[in-house]
Amino acid sequence: GNSVTQMEGPVTLSEEAFLTINCTYTATGYPSLFWYVQYPGEGLQLLLKATKADDKGSNKGFEATYRKETTSFHLEKGSVQVSDSAVYFCAFLGSSTLGRLYFGRGTQLTVWP
Amino acid sequence: DADVTQTPRNRITKTGKRIMLECSQTKGHDRMYWYRQDPGLGLRLIYYSFDVKDINKGEISDGYSVSRQAQAKFSLSLESAIPNQTALYFCATSDRAESNQPQHFGDGTRLSIL
Repeated sequence: GNSVTQMEGPVTLSEEAFLTINCTYTATGYPSLFWYVQYPGEGLQLLLKATKADDKGSNKGFEATYRKETTSFHLEKGSVQVSDSAVYFCAFLGSSTLGRLYFGRGTQLTVWP
Repeated sequence: DADVTQTPRNRITKTGKRIMLECSQTKGHDRMYWYRQDPGLGLRLIYYSFDVKDINKGEISDGYSVSRQAQAKFSLSLESAIPNQTALYFCATSDRAESNQPQHFGDGTRLSIL
């Protein structure tokens, strides 16, 4: 069935470190892929998206590439900041999912100065 | 003003009480969703509605009901609250015309059931 598996947290990094949060999905067809971010006390905000194979989504220094062959959408950032501390969710929306998103369990990121 | 507004933001209540969480949106979207978030479990879909006359159960609908009063309003009810319904609840919207577009979330309602 449909599912998203993302790297378990928490992830703790020093400022300016490199970040990778792994995400793989199981879905039929060609889903659209998303990363959402949840800052403390807030709702989810779209961080970036990719809608077809080999697309790269990017925003605020974060990037993720849609890899159909490995069914992956790993989130990366070359130099994290304290303000990036948040929970990150990988999600997909497929043609067979009737408009509903499937989410991973979330990865808590804490960045120390 | 927020595009997706949830009320209340926080609620503490007792077991057995009836609770209603409300969601309203100014985005003009057709589709609305209710999720709950539990630590370590991500977001799970409770109910979703594609228009006023189309309401569907999600993966964890037991113990919940919904009402789509208008295109802009979608409320979630707990008929008889129990402690394991303590969670963070999110409402979201999306536009049917843009099938691969992301959902837009409210800021959540933190519900505690004692």
